Amino acid sequence: KNEVEQSPQNLTAQEGEFITINCSYSVGISALHWLQQHPGGGIVSLFMLSSGKKKHGRLIATINIQEKHSSLHITASHPRDSAVYICAVQWTSGSRLTFGEGTQLTVNP
Amino acid sequence: EPEVTQTPSHQVTQMGQEVILRCVPISNHLYFYWYRQILGQKVEFLVSFYNNEISEKSEIFDDQFSVERPDGSNFTLKIRSTKLEDSAMYFCASSEWQALYGYTFGSGTRLTVV
Repeated sequence: KNEVEQSPQNLTAQEGEFITINCSYSVGISALHWLQQHPGGGIVSLFMLSSGKKKHGRLIATINIQEKHSSLHITASHPRDSAVYICAVQWTSGSRLTFGEGTQLTVNP
Repeated sequence: EPEVTQTPSHQVTQMGQEVILRCVPISNHLYFYWYRQILGQKVEFLVSFYNNEISEKSEIFDDQFSVERPDGSNFTLKIRSTKLEDSAMYFCASSEWQALYGYTFGSGTRLTVV
């Protein structure tokens, strides 16, 4: 069965801390997505990766295809980063996404 | 920045009633999707649509569900006879060819079946 696992499920940090959220998957993929979901429920796409590393502002996403693992890093975390961060993968067949359970991040001032 | 627009944002319906959830995807996108998220659970794929037909569907997408692109801009999800367990947030999304450049999600429709 094609699985996506995220860790940790919940993460609490102090403002300014460096955050890492991990994602692993079971079989080959064509792309991995990192998404952000705010309390209102809307989903925002942060990154789509098929190899290497991407950076946008304070967010960095990396992927290791051989190890079937990706990480999302947030540098200098801020309370406005508080949200659910979700990893989702596109398997090698098709464009549908399979989602992880999400990581609830809370950044305290 | 182009957006995927969903209406309504919240719908309450009686069990057994039909509902239609509406979406306006990004105009130059070719693939359209519906996903749902039951409260407290992860997001699940329902269906993808390309070239005016379903390209892929999940086991959730049974005969009570249907999708349509009636007029070249709207993309709708119809639930024929709603059940309590259909209560969820429904997300529409669109992408360019095979999602090569990522997805854009709408802000969701929260469906409550009572």
